[in-house]
Amino acid sequence: NAGVTQTPKFQVLKTGQSMTLQCAQDMNHEYMSWYRQDPGMGLRLIHYSVGAGITDQGEVPNGYNVSRSTTEDFPLRLLSAAPSQTSVYFCASSQAQLAGYTFGSGTRLTVV
Amino acid sequence: KQEVTQIPAALSVPEGENLVLNCSFTDSAIYNLQWFRQDPGKGLTSLLLIQSSQREQTSGRLNASLDKSSGRSTLYIAASQPGDSATYLCAVPYNDMRFGAGTRLTVKP
Repeated sequence: NAGVTQTPKFQVLKTGQSMTLQCAQDMNHEYMSWYRQDPGMGLRLIHYSVGAGITDQGEVPNGYNVSRSTTEDFPLRLLSAAPSQTSVYFCASSQAQLAGYTFGSGTRLTVV
Repeated sequence: KQEVTQIPAALSVPEGENLVLNCSFTDSAIYNLQWFRQDPGKGLTSLLLIQSSQREQTSGRLNASLDKSSGRSTLYIAASQPGDSATYLCAVPYNDMRFGAGTRLTVKP
């Protein structure tokens, strides 16, 4: 059972570089979301999607883009990495926005 | 606005002890409540999901209760083991998923 798969697990970027964090789920879940987890800040929602072709902003969307062309995939793009984006990023999926969540194992990103 | 609070922030117990972790939420109109476990450097693993119509859920040595009217949930861990050491988070769906800050549990051999 793959569940929610995130790649890469670790990444180091230089300030100003761009990259895409990948998230894929094989449970046919409609709802997917991206969180970042920082010490003392807890989990904060970046972007979410209620279905293919539909995305919306969460609590901390600045500096990030998303798209949802298929039900399975929900990539997160960092346009121009900044040290403030150093964090652990988690992707989650759910059958619906109010149903239980399944999380990926996370991507640890360091921006230098 | 829904706010989720977990007390205590950290807890250290000897192996074998029964323990209770607390979660409170400000808006009682919740759809469900989910308990997660997070090991250091790892992702979140779902432990129990309680629907709003339920009062408790059990999985092995874990029992989660829900009292919507008082805005509380508890996670009871029976006969704790060193392998239970982790951070435990509770969360409720709102416009997004609202998480508590977690309780860091250490079970000493």
